Amino acid sequence: AQKVTQAQTEISVVEKEDVTLDCVYETRDTTYYLFWYKQPPSGELVFLIRRNSFDEQNEISGRYSWNFQKSTSSFNFTITASQVVDSAVYFCALSEPNRDDKIIFGKGTRLHILP
Amino acid sequence: DTAVSQTPKYLVTQMGNDKSIKCEQNLGHDTMYWYKQDSKKFLKIMFSYNNKELIINETVPNRFSPKSPDKAHLNLHINSLELGDSAVYFCASSQLGQGPSETQYFGPGTRLLVL
Repeated sequence: AQKVTQAQTEISVVEKEDVTLDCVYETRDTTYYLFWYKQPPSGELVFLIRRNSFDEQNEISGRYSWNFQKSTSSFNFTITASQVVDSAVYFCALSEPNRDDKIIFGKGTRLHILP
Repeated sequence: DTAVSQTPKYLVTQMGNDKSIKCEQNLGHDTMYWYKQDSKKFLKIMFSYNNKELIINETVPNRFSPKSPDKAHLNLHINSLELGDSAVYFCASSQLGQGPSETQYFGPGTRLLVL
């Protein structure tokens, strides 16, 4: 069974602090994709990153970075020097192209950046 | 230019009514999806269409019927609306008919409230 766990339901940090959002996944397949999406208060879903299972290289995009570790089945997301505009719900997601190819979303982590 | 658009953005209706939500994408994608986001923010796929053909049909009541007149449009018709249908419905699309493992781009969501 495929499953995505975002154990942190809600996080609050003060602006300029770094924050890491955890994502742990379960899959039996060797080929899979992992995603992060952001849902700001306005409600739309914004794509942030996609990573395939064969690429464990960490990625940095501005203040955002992702740490993919197959050994622990984790795909954690770090925001450096957080800003109020980072306040949103963040979803981690998994899909298995050789299986049913559906995207399964975690339940999301609500991030509050306090000024 | 909006990549994935949905109308209406808000929909308030009485129980028992029939309503439709429209989705259009101008990204040239082959595959489109409908997701339901419940009050706890949990996202779950409902349907997926590839080149106007139904690919994924999750356990969704028969009252929900997707219709894809062409690959740029995927509409969702709901008959006999029930209170439990209240949610945010997201449309999404992805490239080249590769299924959910390709990056999905989401519409702004339609907030449905059934009274």
